[in-house]
Amino acid sequence: ILNVEQSPQSLHVQEGDSTNFTCSFPSSNFYALHWYRWETAKSPEALFVMTLNGDEKKKGRISATLNTKEGYSYLYIKGSQPEDSATYLCASPRGSTLGRLYFGRGTQLTVWP
Amino acid sequence: DAGVIQSPRHEVTEMGQEVTLRCKPISGHDYLFWYRQTMMRGLELLIYFNNNVPIDDSGMPEDRFSAKMPNASFSTLKIQPSEPRDSAVYFCASSWVNYGYTFGSGTRLTVV
Repeated sequence: ILNVEQSPQSLHVQEGDSTNFTCSFPSSNFYALHWYRWETAKSPEALFVMTLNGDEKKKGRISATLNTKEGYSYLYIKGSQPEDSATYLCASPRGSTLGRLYFGRGTQLTVWP
Repeated sequence: DAGVIQSPRHEVTEMGQEVTLRCKPISGHDYLFWYRQTMMRGLELLIYFNNNVPIDDSGMPEDRFSAKMPNASFSTLKIQPSEPRDSAVYFCASSWVNYGYTFGSGTRLTVV
């Protein structure tokens, strides 16, 4: 895989459901994987920065895992709430340009009450 | 810290006019990025700076767009002349290497 890719593109769940989505990234020369949450009409907000294979991060009902050898990360939301509705972006630096992140297109999550 | 500060929040201008967007990054951050959000392309990187030096401006759509960072605490993105297709939300973000970006609140530009 050459770019950061996310799936699915969009997801609709009922309040209370747990959900997860995927970020795939180039596994060679891995340095870090970032997750962002982007609510409509707001700016993206950093959730996690993950660097180690097997890393797991948690923030409230949201957690993320990282597999650097196979080049994927999962974001999980337990007991989704309407306020979790947002676009979730993942990003990774590439090559020698460690300061610049390459973003996926995002997964747009809608949680229905 | 007040975060990344962008101004103005909203800008409505007539086609052909010059538009200047401003950004104050977080103190101490050595990277600054300008992004544009559109329905078609999502979050699109226009240009970024490291230690006030432009590193990659390949995302700047055309010569009508220019960006400067005269010092570590200020950057501008200028569009001259503006066109209706430039209408979008423009975000500025700053960071240290390998830390998450902090985004500003964005400037919603409408060119009529």
